[in-house]
Amino acid sequence: DAGVIQSPRHEVTEMGQEVTLRCKPISGHDYLFWYRQTMMRGLELLIYFNNNVPIDDSGMPEDRFSAKMPNASFSTLKIQPSEPRDSAVYFCASRRANNYGYTFGSGTRLTVV
Amino acid sequence: RKEVEQDPGPFNVPEGATVAFNCTYSNSASQSFFWYRQDCRKEPKLLMSVYSSGNEDGRFTAQLNRASQYISLLIRDSKLSDSATYLCVVTKGNNNDMRFGAGTRLTVKP
Repeated sequence: DAGVIQSPRHEVTEMGQEVTLRCKPISGHDYLFWYRQTMMRGLELLIYFNNNVPIDDSGMPEDRFSAKMPNASFSTLKIQPSEPRDSAVYFCASRRANNYGYTFGSGTRLTVV
Repeated sequence: RKEVEQDPGPFNVPEGATVAFNCTYSNSASQSFFWYRQDCRKEPKLLMSVYSSGNEDGRFTAQLNRASQYISLLIRDSKLSDSATYLCVVTKGNNNDMRFGAGTRLTVKP
């Protein structure tokens, strides 16, 4: 079991550029979550999917953020255009239905300059 | 008021000490409770669930008081490897809306 795999591990980009973060959940997990962690706000849920369908995106900060899950093994979180305040660690997590335990990926540390 | 509030920390304790963390939550409809551990620059990892009757896992004991909307984590015989940030997590009905506390940092010193 390779766990939840995120890429890239680190991303530095200039303000205004498009950023795409990627996640491969654990095979067989029905739910996928995108979180953002900052010192000021802690861990915040951005969006989650169930069986590839977005269920709750109320945590997405604004229209510059979008997420997709085209199949059970892949999800993307896109920021366009990026801004310095988007700098944070973005975590992807997955879990099975009826299992409370989330498994987090190693995160993507995003810096927007 | 934040939905989940934790002791601000940091806690600096010697090896072998017993240390307790507290957490309060504001939503009385919360149904599931957890403690996660996060090492520096790493992802959060599930430490243990918290059950109404209280539960123990080795040196770790978790307690829940629904009436007071309070959760605690007790660590006995602290080890150097226990140094981390401990996150209190509370969910609403479907377990897909997990609210994380800001975390309490623990440093265990030799």
